[in-house]
Amino acid sequence: TAGITQAPTSQILAAGRSMTLRCTQDMRHNAMYWYRQDLGLGLRLIHYSNTAGTTGKGEVPDGYSVSRANTDDFPLTLASAVPSQTSVYFCASSDSGQLTDTQYFGPGTRLTVL
Amino acid sequence: GQNIDQPTEMTATEGAIVQINCTYQTSGFNGLFWYQQHAGEAPTFLSYNVLDGLEEKGRFSSFLSRSKGYSYLLLKELQMKDSASYLCAVMDSNYQLIWGAGTKLIIKP
Repeated sequence: TAGITQAPTSQILAAGRSMTLRCTQDMRHNAMYWYRQDLGLGLRLIHYSNTAGTTGKGEVPDGYSVSRANTDDFPLTLASAVPSQTSVYFCASSDSGQLTDTQYFGPGTRLTVL
Repeated sequence: GQNIDQPTEMTATEGAIVQINCTYQTSGFNGLFWYQQHAGEAPTFLSYNVLDGLEEKGRFSSFLSRSKGYSYLLLKELQMKDSASYLCAVMDSNYQLIWGAGTKLIIKP
Protein backbone atom coordinates (compact mmCIF):
# COMPACT_ATOMS: atom_id res chain seq x y z
CA THR A 1 0.00 0.00 0.00
CA ALA A 2 1.10 3.59 -0.63
CA GLY A 3 0.19 4.89 2.84
CA ILE A 4 -0.04 8.67 2.56
CA THR A 5 0.76 10.57 -0.61
CA GLN A 6 1.14 14.32 -0.99
CA ALA A 7 1.29 16.48 -4.09
CA PRO A 8 3.11 18.43 -5.26
CA THR A 9 6.53 17.52 -3.88
CA SER A 10 7.59 21.12 -4.08
CA GLN A 11 6.22 24.38 -5.41
CA ILE A 12 7.24 27.99 -5.86
CA LEU A 13 4.27 30.32 -5.61
CA ALA A 14 3.88 34.04 -6.15
CA ALA A 15 2.46 35.98 -3.20
CA GLY A 16 -1.25 36.57 -3.55
CA ARG A 17 -1.86 33.42 -5.56
CA SER A 18 -3.96 30.54 -4.29
CA MET A 19 -2.89 26.93 -4.07
CA THR A 20 -4.20 23.58 -2.88
CA LEU A 21 -1.90 20.98 -1.37
CA ARG A 22 -3.25 17.50 -1.87
CA CYS A 23 -3.15 14.62 0.61
CA THR A 24 -4.51 11.13 0.11
CA GLN A 25 -4.30 8.09 2.39
CA ASP A 26 -5.24 4.50 1.63
CA MET A 27 -5.19 3.13 5.18
CA ARG A 28 -8.84 3.99 5.89
CA HIS A 29 -7.72 6.06 8.88
CA ASN A 30 -10.39 8.20 10.49
CA ALA A 31 -8.25 11.16 11.54
CA MET A 32 -6.08 13.36 9.34
CA TYR A 33 -3.86 16.34 10.09
CA TRP A 34 -1.94 19.13 8.40
CA TYR A 35 1.31 20.40 9.96
CA ARG A 36 3.90 22.92 8.94
CA GLN A 37 7.55 22.47 9.86
CA ASP A 38 9.88 25.46 10.06
CA LEU A 39 13.56 25.48 10.94
CA GLY A 40 14.11 25.67 14.69
CA LEU A 41 10.46 25.12 15.50
CA GLY A 42 8.47 22.00 16.26
CA LEU A 43 5.77 20.75 13.95
CA ARG A 44 2.75 23.02 14.28
CA LEU A 45 -0.77 21.82 13.66
CA ILE A 46 -2.73 23.84 11.09
CA HIS A 47 -6.02 21.95 10.81
CA TYR A 48 -7.25 18.49 11.61
CA SER A 49 -10.19 16.21 10.91
CA ASN A 50 -11.28 13.49 13.30
CA THR A 51 -13.58 11.88 10.75
CA ALA A 52 -14.96 12.50 7.27
CA GLY A 53 -17.25 15.53 7.22
CA THR A 54 -15.68 17.26 10.22
CA THR A 55 -12.70 19.60 10.56
CA GLY A 56 -11.10 21.60 13.35
CA LYS A 57 -8.57 24.37 13.80
CA GLY A 58 -5.12 23.69 15.13
CA GLU A 59 -2.46 26.00 16.53
CA VAL A 60 -1.84 28.08 13.36
CA PRO A 61 -4.99 27.99 11.15
CA ASP A 62 -5.00 31.56 9.82
CA GLY A 63 -4.62 31.79 6.04
CA TYR A 64 -5.44 28.11 5.52
CA SER A 65 -8.62 26.14 4.92
CA VAL A 66 -9.37 22.43 4.67
CA SER A 67 -12.18 20.12 3.67
CA ARG A 68 -12.86 16.43 4.32
CA ALA A 69 -15.44 15.22 1.84
CA ASN A 70 -14.41 11.57 2.21
CA THR A 71 -12.15 9.35 4.31
CA ASP A 72 -9.18 9.31 1.94
CA ASP A 73 -8.63 12.95 0.94
CA PHE A 74 -7.75 16.00 3.02
CA PRO A 75 -6.71 18.98 0.84
CA LEU A 76 -5.19 22.14 2.32
CA THR A 77 -5.88 25.43 0.55
CA LEU A 78 -4.01 28.70 0.78
CA ALA A 79 -6.43 31.34 -0.49
CA SER A 80 -3.90 34.14 -0.91
CA ALA A 81 -0.35 33.06 -0.18
CA VAL A 82 2.08 35.23 1.81
CA PRO A 83 5.86 34.78 2.22
CA SER A 84 5.43 33.69 5.87
CA GLN A 85 3.69 30.58 4.55
CA THR A 86 6.99 29.38 3.10
CA SER A 87 7.46 26.07 4.88
CA VAL A 88 7.44 22.30 4.58
CA TYR A 89 3.92 20.96 4.91
CA PHE A 90 3.24 17.46 6.21
CA CYS A 91 -0.03 15.61 6.09
CA ALA A 92 -0.57 12.83 8.64
CA SER A 93 -3.23 10.32 9.56
CA SER A 94 -4.11 8.08 12.50
CA ASP A 95 -6.61 5.32 13.03
CA SER A 96 -8.16 7.02 16.03
CA GLY A 97 -9.69 3.83 17.26
CA GLN A 98 -8.11 5.38 20.31
CA LEU A 99 -7.24 9.04 20.39
CA THR A 100 -3.62 8.29 21.32
CA ASP A 101 -3.01 6.30 18.15
CA THR A 102 0.22 6.82 16.30
CA GLN A 103 0.26 9.39 13.52
CA TYR A 104 1.72 8.39 10.14
CA PHE A 105 3.18 11.09 7.94
CA GLY A 106 3.25 11.75 4.22
CA PRO A 107 6.50 12.72 2.45
CA GLY A 108 5.81 16.47 2.67
CA THR A 109 5.40 19.39 0.29
CA ARG A 110 8.08 22.09 0.24
CA LEU A 111 6.39 25.42 -0.52
CA THR A 112 8.18 28.67 -1.25
CA VAL A 113 6.13 31.86 -1.47
CA LEU A 114 7.90 34.78 -3.15
CA GLY B 1 1.88 27.97 27.89
CA GLN B 2 2.86 24.58 26.59
CA ASN B 3 6.52 23.83 26.09
CA ILE B 4 8.71 20.97 24.95
CA ASP B 5 12.48 21.30 25.38
CA GLN B 6 15.16 19.17 23.78
CA PRO B 7 18.79 19.86 22.89
CA THR B 8 19.24 21.32 19.43
CA GLU B 9 22.12 19.09 18.38
CA MET B 10 24.19 16.20 19.70
CA THR B 11 27.22 14.35 18.37
CA ALA B 12 28.13 10.73 19.09
CA THR B 13 30.48 8.05 17.79
CA GLU B 14 29.50 4.98 15.81
CA GLY B 15 29.05 1.99 18.13
CA ALA B 16 28.52 4.16 21.21
CA ILE B 17 25.41 4.97 23.27
CA VAL B 18 23.60 8.32 23.29
CA GLN B 19 20.76 9.67 25.44
CA ILE B 20 18.49 12.41 24.09
CA ASN B 21 16.51 14.22 26.78
CA CYS B 22 13.11 15.87 26.55
CA THR B 23 11.37 17.94 29.22
CA TYR B 24 7.81 19.12 28.89
CA GLN B 25 5.19 21.40 30.40
CA THR B 26 1.76 20.80 28.92
CA SER B 27 -1.92 21.17 29.71
CA GLY B 28 -2.61 17.60 30.68
CA PHE B 29 -0.80 14.49 29.55
CA ASN B 30 -1.99 11.61 27.40
CA GLY B 31 1.33 10.14 26.44
CA LEU B 32 4.71 11.00 24.97
CA PHE B 33 5.94 10.05 21.50
CA TRP B 34 9.38 9.87 19.94
CA TYR B 35 9.75 10.14 16.18
CA GLN B 36 12.80 9.89 13.93
CA GLN B 37 13.17 12.21 10.94
CA HIS B 38 15.93 11.86 8.38
CA ALA B 39 16.85 15.02 6.50
CA GLY B 40 14.30 15.81 3.80
CA GLU B 41 11.99 12.98 4.85
CA ALA B 42 8.84 12.49 6.89
CA PRO B 43 8.87 11.77 10.64
CA THR B 44 8.48 8.09 11.47
CA PHE B 45 7.20 6.66 14.76
CA LEU B 46 9.70 5.21 17.24
CA SER B 47 7.99 4.88 20.62
CA TYR B 48 5.07 5.80 22.84
CA ASN B 49 5.16 6.06 26.66
CA VAL B 50 2.15 6.77 28.83
CA LEU B 51 3.25 5.10 32.09
CA ASP B 52 6.44 5.76 34.06
CA GLY B 53 9.36 3.56 33.27
CA LEU B 54 11.48 2.22 30.47
CA GLU B 55 10.21 0.77 27.18
CA GLU B 56 12.78 -1.17 25.19
CA LYS B 57 12.60 -1.85 21.48
CA GLY B 58 15.76 -3.36 20.07
CA ARG B 59 18.56 -0.80 20.06
CA PHE B 60 16.17 1.98 21.08
CA SER B 61 14.67 2.55 24.54
CA SER B 62 12.45 5.32 25.84
CA PHE B 63 11.97 6.38 29.45
CA LEU B 64 9.26 8.47 31.05
CA SER B 65 8.86 10.19 34.42
CA ARG B 66 5.50 11.95 34.55
CA SER B 67 6.17 13.54 37.95
CA LYS B 68 9.32 15.20 36.58
CA GLY B 69 7.89 16.02 33.14
CA TYR B 70 10.87 14.22 31.64
CA SER B 71 11.64 11.62 29.03
CA TYR B 72 14.72 10.33 27.28
CA LEU B 73 15.43 8.28 24.18
CA LEU B 74 18.41 5.95 24.49
CA LEU B 75 20.11 4.71 21.35
CA LYS B 76 22.61 1.86 21.70
CA GLU B 77 25.21 0.48 19.28
CA LEU B 78 24.93 3.58 17.14
CA GLN B 79 25.04 3.15 13.39
CA MET B 80 25.67 5.80 10.74
CA LYS B 81 22.06 5.43 9.60
CA ASP B 82 20.94 6.72 13.03
CA SER B 83 22.06 10.20 11.96
CA ALA B 84 18.74 12.03 11.95
CA SER B 85 16.60 14.40 13.97
CA TYR B 86 14.69 12.96 16.91
CA LEU B 87 11.39 14.62 17.74
CA CYS B 88 9.71 14.50 21.14
CA ALA B 89 5.95 15.13 21.21
CA VAL B 90 3.44 15.16 24.06
CA MET B 91 -0.29 14.58 23.68
CA ASP B 92 -2.14 17.13 25.78
CA SER B 93 -5.53 17.00 27.48
CA ASN B 94 -7.26 17.81 24.15
CA TYR B 95 -5.49 14.86 22.50
CA GLN B 96 -3.42 17.19 20.33
CA LEU B 97 0.30 16.61 19.87
CA ILE B 98 2.67 19.34 21.06
CA TRP B 99 6.01 18.96 19.31
CA GLY B 100 9.54 19.81 20.35
CA ALA B 101 11.84 21.38 17.77
CA GLY B 102 13.84 18.17 17.52
CA THR B 103 17.39 17.09 18.31
CA LYS B 104 19.74 16.68 15.37
CA LEU B 105 21.99 13.68 16.06
CA ILE B 106 25.29 13.52 14.20
CA ILE B 107 27.11 10.18 14.19
CA LYS B 108 30.84 10.21 13.53
CA PRO B 109 32.86 7.15 12.47
